Amino acid sequence: AQSVTQLDSHVSVSEGTPVLLRCNYSSSYSPSLFWYVQHPNKGLQLLLKYTSAATLVKGINGFEAEFKKSETSFHLTKPSAHMSDAAEYFCAVSENFGNEKLTFGTGTRLTIIP
Amino acid sequence: EPEVTQTPSHQVTQMGQEVILRCVPISNHLYFYWYRQILGQKVEFLVSFYNNEISEKSEIFDDQFSVERPDGSNFTLKIRSTKLEDSAMYFCASSDNRGPYNEQFFGPGTRLTVL
Repeated sequence: AQSVTQLDSHVSVSEGTPVLLRCNYSSSYSPSLFWYVQHPNKGLQLLLKYTSAATLVKGINGFEAEFKKSETSFHLTKPSAHMSDAAEYFCAVSENFGNEKLTFGTGTRLTIIP
Repeated sequence: EPEVTQTPSHQVTQMGQEVILRCVPISNHLYFYWYRQILGQKVEFLVSFYNNEISEKSEIFDDQFSVERPDGSNFTLKIRSTKLEDSAMYFCASSDNRGPYNEQFFGPGTRLTVL
């Protein structure tokens, strides 16, 4: 069975400082991993995905994530936070045998301090 | 840019009533999904749908739930007799590719409140 743990329910950073949102996963197979963002009153938007190619994945809006199998982690980072990054972020896993079901973490609310 | 839409944005109903949540997936997509998120909890998979039949369903998706694609554009989730614990945000998603690398495009959600 697959699962995702997002270690922080709420993260606050000052504008211009780095962002780190943590995600750990559990999977019986080689997983695919995703980060989604949700702005208020909007749907979940894909930021980036890991699909067993490069372990460092670059996404939209300057976000990137590194797949670390030894740590079962897929943390999301951004070098410099922008006010528009304030949103809810969800990490998700899908197992690599044709099962397209996504299993989500509980989400991390990112607040940007001006 | 094409997007998934959902109606209504907020539905309030009495316990025991039937509700239908509606979704319009992206037009060339073939795979459809429903997820839900109870307040403060994880987003949970409910059901996936392809070629007019359910591909997979979770243990949450019991006989009270059904899905339908009635007219080739809408994708609906029906809850036959709502319970208090059905109160949640319901997300519809669609994708054009099956398998582990697919990107599922999500709608904005319908907040269901059961009183």
